Amino acid sequence: GENVEQHPSTLSVQEGDSAVIKCTYSDSASNYFPWYKQELGKGPQLIIDIRSNVGEKKDQRIAVTLNKTAKHFSLHITETQPEDSAVYFCAARTGTASKLTFGTGTRLQVTL
Amino acid sequence: DTEVTQTPKHLVMGMTNKKSLKCEQHMGHRAMYWYKQKAKKPPELMFVYSYEKLSINESVPSRFSPECPNSSLLNLHLHALQPEDSALYLCASSHLTSGNADTQYFGPGTRLTVL
Repeated sequence: GENVEQHPSTLSVQEGDSAVIKCTYSDSASNYFPWYKQELGKGPQLIIDIRSNVGEKKDQRIAVTLNKTAKHFSLHITETQPEDSAVYFCAARTGTASKLTFGTGTRLQVTL
Repeated sequence: DTEVTQTPKHLVMGMTNKKSLKCEQHMGHRAMYWYKQKAKKPPELMFVYSYEKLSINESVPSRFSPECPNSSLLNLHLHALQPEDSALYLCASSHLTSGNADTQYFGPGTRLTVL
């Protein structure tokens, strides 16, 4: 089955700096890669996603890049703000399956 | 609107109790999901309903019993739970396009404590 690795497990950046979180996946048939942000006591919130026919997608301060050859995808957050502090999960979905395989999560802390 | 609602927000139950978790969405999604999330871990898939029929059961113990009464509602019936079942229970939903699942949207979760 699919396996998703996520790094780093914790990331601390100063406000205004950029943050990058990286994920690798094992199944070359995976074709959909969402990123979720989870704040304390809340459910995961979709922040951006990318499909395998696209190499990069951007939404304001957030961007995701996908390298299908290397089987890795990354989340980039620019001009970080304290409200970006949360746990971020990457995920991958294979083919037409309903199941998402999640990475282990990255705790991002943005300090003033 | 991408809202999935869950009730209750918090639930404390004894090992002999029977309780139910409820989930609702009005986005016209025809796939609904139950996940279990332990502290500092990613969500783990438990069940998937597609077109109100159970399509995936990830070998979940029978003390958890899902139910999908209609396309907007999803229940999780709990009976004879163990303390290790304490966790955040998340509901999610997604469109189905030609039977294929699309983006999943999560609810806020129910924090369950089993005493």
